[in-house]
Amino acid sequence: DTAVSQTPKYLVTQMGNDKSIKCEQNLGHDTMYWYKQDSKKFLKIMFSYNNKELIINETVPNRFSPKSPDKAHLNLHINSLELGDSAVYFCASSPGTSDYNEQFFGPGTRLTVL
Amino acid sequence: GQNIDQPTEMTATEGAIVQINCTYQTSGFNGLFWYQQHAGEAPTFLSYNVLDGLEEKGRFSSFLSRSKGYSYLLLKELQMKDSASYLCAVMDSNYQLIWGAGTKLIIKP
Repeated sequence: DTAVSQTPKYLVTQMGNDKSIKCEQNLGHDTMYWYKQDSKKFLKIMFSYNNKELIINETVPNRFSPKSPDKAHLNLHINSLELGDSAVYFCASSPGTSDYNEQFFGPGTRLTVL
Repeated sequence: GQNIDQPTEMTATEGAIVQINCTYQTSGFNGLFWYQQHAGEAPTFLSYNVLDGLEEKGRFSSFLSRSKGYSYLLLKELQMKDSASYLCAVMDSNYQLIWGAGTKLIIKP
């Protein structure tokens, strides 16, 4: 069984559209994350969500909004998509937020904005 | 600012040994992670160091020197399947992971 799953795996859309990416983890972890990996392969944290506390990265435009219906799910909604949003988006989870917390990554969603 | 530096690309021969270095400057330190990422796939955990010294795990070892802000990942008996990017990440004082850009390792026969 997949530990961290994301859908869709590929997403191609037009500029200006609104889209969502879903993430689910069945590991019983308390913390979930969204990362963006651009063409230069930098992994940049976008959001982390520990139980009911959302930690927002200030560099993320407010067009990006995470939504967590419960501890096992953290979805990412993107409004008014721009060309620069094209990247691979990874969801991850970890048991908690303190020191030794291995993060488990989903398979990634490759978003292409045309 | 916070910074993680590692070489962009390295090439090594099958069966050999390679050392991938990582230097960091971060606000606080709560451990250093190494992840492996094959092309088109998600990163997977390799190792975690929080105390100085060498941690060995099979063919892979990771070393940390906190006073020097330095770590390396040592891969022995290289196999073709080790061709991947290796990402160094440091957990800062806010328990956020700061990631390096990764080192692309190319293994040649």
